[in-house]
Amino acid sequence: DGGITQSPKYLFRKEGQNVTLSCEQNLNHDAMYWYRQDPGQGLRLIYYSQIVNDFQKGDIAEGYSVSREKKESFPLTVTSAQKNPTAFYLCAGSIRTANTGELFFGEGSRLTVL
Amino acid sequence: GENVEQHPSTLSVQEGDSAVIKCTYSDSASNYFPWYKQELGKRPQLIIDIRSNVGEKKDQRIAVTLNKTAKHFSLHITETQPEDSAVYFCAATFDNDMRFGAGTRLTVKP
Repeated sequence: DGGITQSPKYLFRKEGQNVTLSCEQNLNHDAMYWYRQDPGQGLRLIYYSQIVNDFQKGDIAEGYSVSREKKESFPLTVTSAQKNPTAFYLCAGSIRTANTGELFFGEGSRLTVL
Repeated sequence: GENVEQHPSTLSVQEGDSAVIKCTYSDSASNYFPWYKQELGKRPQLIIDIRSNVGEKKDQRIAVTLNKTAKHFSLHITETQPEDSAVYFCAATFDNDMRFGAGTRLTVKP
């Protein structure tokens, strides 16, 4: 089995702590994406990366950081600066950029900040 | 940047009826418009997509239409079945990032 693998599936953290969500892919995808899903608000883009060592901010990048040191990996750090971090986070990849290609999603990580 | 609006937010139909979900987008440069289906507790999955050089595309019971002039596109599901119940998201792609609508929760009553 393979594809887009996110971990952990569920995560609880205290307010003020940084949290890193893992996203790994074995599909040789060039582009990778992080979305946040809240009830009634659809999928909002946090960051995306088209190639290694490069990434772009999406609509809601404030309070988040990413890295793309390897093609296979695109971790997302939810920092203490993110005012409302409790949400469902989805990572996705595509073979080409989203201009022309299907997004394959991971199963998501549900973060709850207590 | 791109802004995608999706209507309705909820839709309830009787099994066998048709369902239509509509989306509008703001950036005329967008050229790829996918539709994703997300069943409860699962990841979104692509069900159909359309590119800006095409006006309509059909795949069995689902079809998508695109009106570039009006900047809107629609998903049509015919002969709905209970397993069509899910949240559906439209998206538009501009400048290499994909922006999604807020989603439509479709319920098909048996």
